[in-house]
Order: sequence, then structure tokens, then C-alpha cells
Amino acid sequence: AQSVTQPDIHITVSEGASLELRCNYSYGATPYLFWYVQSPGQGLQLLLKYFSGDTLVQGIKGFEAEFKRSQSSFNLRKPSVHWSDAAEYFCAVAGRTDSWGKLQFGAGTQVVVTP
Amino acid sequence: DAGVTQSPTHLIKTRGQQVTLRCSPKSGHDTVSWYQQALGQGPQFIFQYYEEEERQRGNFPDRFSGHQFPNYSSELNVNALLLGDSALYLCASTAGTGILTNYNEQFFGPGTRLTVL
Repeated sequence: AQSVTQPDIHITVSEGASLELRCNYSYGATPYLFWYVQSPGQGLQLLLKYFSGDTLVQGIKGFEAEFKRSQSSFNLRKPSVHWSDAAEYFCAVAGRTDSWGKLQFGAGTQVVVTP
Repeated sequence: DAGVTQSPTHLIKTRGQQVTLRCSPKSGHDTVSWYQQALGQGPQFIFQYYEEEERQRGNFPDRFSGHQFPNYSSELNVNALLLGDSALYLCASTAGTGILTNYNEQFFGPGTRLTVL
């Protein structure tokens, strides 16, 4: 069965420290991969996406993600976290051939930033 | 550009009632998708509308239905509400090409928070 797993439900990080959020997927073929961020009262905002090519993808707000086919992973990273990065982060996938843009999301990782 | 807008922001209903949620897509977008996000969960795909027709549907019962209007706005209707229908309902729009829309970013609205008592 197709699935998206975010192993960490909750992460606490100090401001200025680095952040890594994990995402693993199970899919018939390599899907399109996305990371979204959701702040309270806000809709989901796309941080970055991977379709093909370079496995290290740069996104907005200083985020990057690395696609590792052998590990079926697409982990999100940020070198130095700001207090405004406190939010919920969702990894999502979409099939390349038949999904019509349908996104399948993980359960999310809540990020708390401490001073 | 107003982006994706949804109404109402919050809604409280009782079990057995019916509800209609509304979505206006981002300017230039013709494809609308609906997602249900239960508390502490990721969004779950309900269905997608393109050219006023339901193009794809997720694993939701027939109590969930929708409509798309000629101006591309959309409605989500839920009949016979259950307590488990309490969730944030998100609308997303994108510029469809009639084939795959994965290449086009989906823009999400802020959602409608539905509480069923």
C-alpha cells in the first residue's frame, strides 16, 4: 500500500540550531515529493518539491531537502532555525502518471522553537 | 490576487445535519481539490473537480459530494453529519491542463473548521 511516514510527531529545537525532519515513502514508483508548512490559522504553503534531476532541492525560507532513492526518503533540513519556523510540517507525495495532482500527506511533524 | 478563499471560517453543526462549504480558487486556476484534515493528522484527499466534473475521488463515503461552477468556484457538501466529520476542510486550486497537474503547484486556502456536536 502507498504510504508516507513522518517518524517524528514532535521536535523541539533551539533557535539558531539546525533542523532535520524525516520523511519516508512507500510507492510503486518514485513519486513527486513535496514539503509543506502549516502555521496556525494558515493554509498549507509549499516549501519545496522534487520532480527529477538534482537530488538536493532548495526551497523557500532557507529550507532544503534531499531525495535518496535507495532509502525512499526525502528529508527536510534547515541549517539555522528562526523562531518563525515554529509550525507543522507535512511531507507529501503524488503519483507521476495517474494521480491528477492528488496529494497524499504524512501525519506531520510539529516543530517547536525555543529561545 | 486574493489567493484561495474559503467560507465560512468556522462552522458548528449537530449530528445528522447537512453542511455546505465554499471555495473560490486562485485567479487563473480551474481545478479545485478538497481535503479533510482531522486534528493531529495530515490532510486526506476527498475529491477533485475539473471542468465542472469530479475527476478523482478519495476514500470518502457518498455523504461527501461536491460541485464546481462555471466560474471554477466549488462547494463541498456533507450530509448526515457524524461526530467524526469534525475537521479542518481545506480547498486547493491549481491550473489544470486536462492531463496531469502535478507540475503545477497547488495553492491551499486557510480552511473551514467544522465542529459537529
